[in-house]
Amino acid sequence: AQRVTQPEKLLSVFKGAPVELKCNYSYSGSPELFWYVQYSRQRLQLLLRHISRESIKGFTADLNKGETSFHLKKPFAQEEDSAMYYCALGGANSKLTFGKGITLSVRP
Amino acid sequence: NAGVTQTPKFRVLKTGQSMTLLCAQDMNHEYMYWYRQDPGMGLRLIHYSVGEGTTAKGEVPDGYNVSRLKKQNFLLGLESAAPSQTSVYFCASTHLRGGDTGELFFGEGSRLTVL
Repeated sequence: AQRVTQPEKLLSVFKGAPVELKCNYSYSGSPELFWYVQYSRQRLQLLLRHISRESIKGFTADLNKGETSFHLKKPFAQEEDSAMYYCALGGANSKLTFGKGITLSVRP
Repeated sequence: NAGVTQTPKFRVLKTGQSMTLLCAQDMNHEYMYWYRQDPGMGLRLIHYSVGEGTTAKGEVPDGYNVSRLKKQNFLLGLESAAPSQTSVYFCASTHLRGGDTGELFFGEGSRLTVL
């Protein structure tokens, strides 16, 4: 069965500090992994996907199949990064299995 | 383009009442989904549809029914609402892609309270 684990519910950092949001997955096949973000009063939207291997808003995420992880990282957090972040695993028919989410709070 | 639109955005029901949430998308997407979002639980898939006239169960389908009579619309129904169905409901859609998972486009959410 597919499973996504986000072990922390909340991460609070100061502006300029590094950020790492953890995500581990369980999947028997070749995984497709995503990070979605929900800013305050906005709809949930795609932040990045592992196959793109790109940096969005300074965030990167590397798929580590050995550790079954897809941690989201940013070297210097900004206040506008404050949001709810969900790690998600793709499946058949483009269904996504989401983790429980983590609230990132960036303090000035 | 409006993208994915959900109505209503807020609703309060009494236990046992019925209601329907409407999701409409104008992107000509084949796939549509209904998720519920609960604190500490993340988003869980209720039902989904891979095309007009088709529906399938997700992770938490009990107590819900869906219909996809038109490609652009996906309806979520609660026949007899229960307090456990108090939640925020999100509709999403994506286009058919060969071999990989498409980007999901979400609606703004519908907050339902069952008293």
